[in-house]
Amino acid sequence: EIVLTQSPGTLSLSPGERATLSCRASQSVSGNYLAWYQQKPDQAPRLLIYGASSRATGIPDRFSGSGSGTDFTLTISRLEPEDFAVYYCQQSGTSPFTFGPGTKVDIK
Amino acid sequence: QVQLVESGGGLVKPGGSLRLSCAASGFTFSDYYMTWIRQAPGKRLEWISYLSGSSTSTNYADSVKGRFTISRDNAKNSLYLQLNSLRVEDTAVYYCARMAESGWFDPWGQGTLVTVPS
Repeated sequence: EIVLTQSPGTLSLSPGERATLSCRASQSVSGNYLAWYQQKPDQAPRLLIYGASSRATGIPDRFSGSGSGTDFTLTISRLEPEDFAVYYCQQSGTSPFTFGPGTKVDIK
Repeated sequence: QVQLVESGGGLVKPGGSLRLSCAASGFTFSDYYMTWIRQAPGKRLEWISYLSGSSTSTNYADSVKGRFTISRDNAKNSLYLQLNSLRVEDTAVYYCARMAESGWFDPWGQGTLVTVPS
């Protein structure tokens, strides 16, 4: 099973700042099948990025994904008030599909 | 628009059973893989199972294999999850989601809570 580790656990930033979230896999993610999701309290997760770097439909271009192999990054270029949430990475290159523990982005 | 609505959650004793449903609308249901994912309180998301559009391809996480069964009825645009031999550690919000063949999940339903008390 591929174990995903996310860092930092919590990121305290102000609106307008840049957020950089990391996701590291215990082994290479096949096909770079790595996705990122945003989850707000009492809501279901929402797909942001798939295939490591492709934005999902309707996702603003301030969200971008990069990386390959075992190291992946989600960047939010300028935080908007609605971006404060928990972010999860997920790999689907190898069964079982697994998620990271999440990074909480909160308001400083 | 694409919509997924889960139902069937509730309180069930250890060893009991429950059947979750997911009603889909806004897309050609039979064309898509579908999946179940759960989130226990304070824990990370856990993928449970997926099923192909024609029900010919399926897979389960080891934690539920042999106890949970995924199925679908394309005529009713519905996905199901039969939960048997429930354990305290199965307590979670259960989400259904549409799954791309490459394995990402979009969109998700709002979730249904299953509680197995100790």
